[in-house]
Amino acid sequence: EVQLVETGGDLLQPGGSLRLACAASGFTVSSNYMSWVRQAPGKGLEWVSVTNPDGNTNYADSVKGRFTISRDNSKNTLYLQMNSLRGEDTAVYYCARDLNLWGQGTLVTVSS
Amino acid sequence: EIVMTQSPATLSVSPGERATLSCRASQSVSSNLAWFQQKPGQAPRLLIFGASTRATGIPARFSGSGSGTEFTLTISSLQSEDFAVYYCQQYSNWRTFGQGTKVEIE
Repeated sequence: EVQLVETGGDLLQPGGSLRLACAASGFTVSSNYMSWVRQAPGKGLEWVSVTNPDGNTNYADSVKGRFTISRDNSKNTLYLQMNSLRGEDTAVYYCARDLNLWGQGTLVTVSS
Repeated sequence: EIVMTQSPATLSVSPGERATLSCRASQSVSSNLAWFQQKPGQAPRLLIFGASTRATGIPARFSGSGSGTEFTLTISSLQSEDFAVYYCQQYSNWRTFGQGTKVEIE
């Protein structure tokens, strides 16, 4: 079955770090554009980061320098390393393959 | 960064009526524009890509048009399951979403 499953969401304090994982099945992560998208409670979708098959990456200004997208080809998994977390990073984080395949999301809550 | 602006923020429509949603890009994105539908508690669902191509399994009542900086999503006859939030996204220069249009029952 072709699917994405995100894990790693948690409750943590401001300034903390967290790594989200997105395990893919039924296709190869490294052959696709893979993105992280987030949605704060009651708010719209915000694109966070993307990596392409060449390994190029890009980030929204709001997370640049704090978040890092990566992939482990041997595990067919996409990651998002999040450092220096802030309250405004609280959101459901989705991973997506290109446009047409999304995971169910994982909740990250940043609060003291 | 390409800024995507959607209008209106909220659209009140009666079932069976036509809904027209707009999306404007701050610079040309050619036809690299997608539309998504999102319902509460669910992940977004791709409706349209390439500005006008329906994704697999999307009913014909959904249609997209436009190119460059001006785009439109039309739902020809709203069904009960169509009341949701709709987002446009450009993928010409990495990715950016619009802020969304909520389609609600009038």
